[in-house]
Amino acid sequence: GNSVTQMEGPVTLSEEAFLTINCTYTATGYPSLFWYVQYPGEGLQLLLKATKADDKGSNKGFEATYRKETTSFHLEKGSVQVSDSAVYFCALSNTGGFKTIFGAGTRLFVKA
Amino acid sequence: GAGVSQSPSNKVTEKGKDVELRCDPISGHTALYWYRQRLGQGLEFLIYFQGNSAPDKSGLPSDRFSAERTGESVSTLTIQRTQQEDSAVYLCASRNTDTQYFGPGTRLTVL
Repeated sequence: GNSVTQMEGPVTLSEEAFLTINCTYTATGYPSLFWYVQYPGEGLQLLLKATKADDKGSNKGFEATYRKETTSFHLEKGSVQVSDSAVYFCALSNTGGFKTIFGAGTRLFVKA
Repeated sequence: GAGVSQSPSNKVTEKGKDVELRCDPISGHTALYWYRQRLGQGLEFLIYFQGNSAPDKSGLPSDRFSAERTGESVSTLTIQRTQQEDSAVYLCASRNTDTQYFGPGTRLTVL
């Protein structure tokens, strides 16, 4: 069945450091891939998405590229800020399907 | 408002009581989901509604959990005879095409 695996946290970085959060998936067909972010005390928000192979989703300085050959959708940011401290969830949704499968989440702490 | 809303934002109840949680989806979104998120953990799918189709209840953990939705509007999640392990944040989301939009959640604490 479909599944999403993302790196375990917590990830602790200093401000302005480079961020990578790994995400790999297993799915049939051609899923859409997502990163959601959950700031402390809030619900999940869509951060970015990509709907086909080689697409790059980007938002707020974050990027992720849909890599079908490696079944990956790693999240990157060149220079993190304290305000990026949150939990990040990788997710997939199969074409025509209605369920979104979420990874377990990766908590990011950014120190000033 | 433009987003998904949930009420109450916090609910404290005693073990054995019933609770009802409410979700107002974004207008026009035909799909609605309920998830449970225990402290420090990921999302656990509970139930999914799509238009007038029979709901997908495959994630409900026990028969104490039930949910209803009237048409394409409000949904309620009911937990009967609450147990301490039901303590969690219950998240609702509605979907447009392939993207889910989440409400702020209801934090349930069972004493």
